[in-house]
Order: sequence, then C-alpha cells, then structure tokens
Amino acid sequence: EDQVTQSPEALRLQEGESSSLNCSYTVSGLRGLFWYRQDPGKGPEFLFTLYSAGEEKEKERLKATLTKKESFLHITAPKPEDSATYLCAVQGDQGGSEKLVFGKGTKLTVNP
Amino acid sequence: GAVVSQHPSRVICKSGTSVKIECRSLDFQATTMFWYRQFPKQSLMLMATSNEGSKATYEQGVEKDKFLINHASLTLSTLTVTSAHPEDSSFYICSARRAGTYEQYFGPGTRLTVT
Repeated sequence: EDQVTQSPEALRLQEGESSSLNCSYTVSGLRGLFWYRQDPGKGPEFLFTLYSAGEEKEKERLKATLTKKESFLHITAPKPEDSATYLCAVQGDQGGSEKLVFGKGTKLTVNP
Repeated sequence: GAVVSQHPSRVICKSGTSVKIECRSLDFQATTMFWYRQFPKQSLMLMATSNEGSKATYEQGVEKDKFLINHASLTLSTLTVTSAHPEDSSFYICSARRAGTYEQYFGPGTRLTVT
C-alpha cells in the first residue's frame, strides 16, 4: 500500500528564516510526486510535480527535490504570505488507479 | 492555465434533501475527474474517480447510491448528495486531471452544511 508521511506537522518561522519540509513515501512504481499548497477553506493549489530521483523544480521562494525515498520542499527567505498547509501526494502505477495518496500536511506559519 | 471551478461554494440544505455540486475545468479538457472529502484539520479523502462517459469508480466505504457522480463531458462532472444527513456535512473538493499528464488541479471546494 502506498504511504506518505510528512514532517513536521507544524512549523513556525520568522520572516526570512529558511527551512525545509519533508515528505517520506513508499510506493509501488512512482508515477509522480506532487506538492500542493492549501489555504484555509480553499482547495489545494498545484505547486510541483517530480517524476524521478534527482529531479528538482523551483518557483519563486520554493524549491522541491526528490530522492527514491523522500522529497523536500525548501523555502528560502519565507514571507508571511507563504503561510499555508503544504501537502505532498504520490501516485503509483499499480492497478491502473490514478489515485493520489496524500500526506497529512505541514502547517507553515511565517511570522513578520 | 489549469483552472477548475466548483459551484456552489457554500450550500445549506435540510436533512433528507439532495444537493448537486458542479465541477468544471475551465481552460483544459479533463478525461478524469476526482471527488474528495475533507474533514476539519485532516487531509483529503478520495471518494471516487470518474471518467468521461463511463461509470464512476468509488473508493471502499463510499456509498455509490448516496453520492451520485456524473461525468457528462470533458469539462464537467457533478456530485449529487442524495437524502443528505447532518453527517454528510463536510468540505467537498473536486480535481481534474489534465489530458496527457498525471497532474491534478483542484477546485476551490464546496462547503456543505446539512441541518
């Protein structure tokens, strides 16, 4: 069974204080690992897709990396508007399912 | 690009009535759409997967006669909660897979309250 574990559950940073969020996963044949941002009362907003170990993607202050067992979302010099819950999900290639398996998320709070 | 809309954003209904939620992909074709449910401070729980023109595939424990899904076109899927009860109150979110990719784009969600 595919599984995703995110850590920490919650993270408080001061504005400008860089850090990383972790997503550990087990999956039978990785099709893709996905990062989303979710604000309270809203649907998840797509950030990145990573397909293979060694791949990296960047968007503004965010950088996502992938190994065979985990992914990191690095946040450089965060701003208060980066406060949100960050969700990691994987899709495996077994059984023809397109199901995304989500982690429980990391709630990030960036204080001014 | 990759915008998904949901309507309504909020709905309050009485116990025993039915509610329909629409999910549209606005600027791309979605051969597959997904319906999720999210409880407070929890992650998303997949309810069902729907492919255009065919019957939806429901996850274990989800009542297909209670949560009716129709995927009539490449840009529209609907979820109907039949004979709603207070325990059906939740945040329902749809997503759409852009054709040719594995990426799912999510709608803004619908907050359902059953009184």
